[in-house]
Amino acid sequence: DAMVIQNPRYQVTQFGKPVTLSCSQTLNHNVMYWYQQKSSQAPKLLFHYYDKDFNNEADTPDNFQSRRPNTSFCFLDIRSPGLGDAAMYLCATSRDRRYEQYFGPGTRLTVT
Amino acid sequence: AQRVTQPEKLLSVFKGAPVELKCNYSYSGSPELFWYVQYSRQRLQLLLRHISRESIKGFTADLNKGETSFHLKKPFAQEEDSAMYYCALSPPSSNTGKLIFGQGTTLQVKP
Repeated sequence: DAMVIQNPRYQVTQFGKPVTLSCSQTLNHNVMYWYQQKSSQAPKLLFHYYDKDFNNEADTPDNFQSRRPNTSFCFLDIRSPGLGDAAMYLCATSRDRRYEQYFGPGTRLTVT
Repeated sequence: AQRVTQPEKLLSVFKGAPVELKCNYSYSGSPELFWYVQYSRQRLQLLLRHISRESIKGFTADLNKGETSFHLKKPFAQEEDSAMYYCALSPPSSNTGKLIFGQGTTLQVKP
């Protein structure tokens, strides 16, 4: 009964080739977050959706975009991946802001 | 700057020994603080939050505003406590619920 699902678990893409990571949830939560976690570093918030409202972190590169077509799904698009974008990408949801966040298993992105 | 520091990358103790995972934060105001845990091959999950003032799996954490710390403690470590532990801060002023994580401490409990 997975609650936050991320697909694929492992993604390999080429330098400069657009890639999309997927997150879905069965919790009917309002908020969906995307975090980036590079090797041996802390997870870092990229952006989040509160319902349909997109909220970008000030230091998130323009190369990263997101879409939330409905409550259940949220996508992370990397328009032109660089070698520095190789990381674990974590999706999280919460009922509302400042509530407990439920994390997915993550997608590990490799850029060749 | 808002920052969370976990000074130890690895903490190794024997079963039954006390455990203290250190967390210091930098935030001008009253933050909301959390401990998240990731067991092997599992997803990141909430262990406890300071406003709940509860003990989960024998772990407690006390917010010390004077020392800007939120150390996680357990009097007697168990092997099943072995995991990666992240301290996290949520700035109420941002009203986003964003979490600012420390770099994590791996707790290894030896038999």
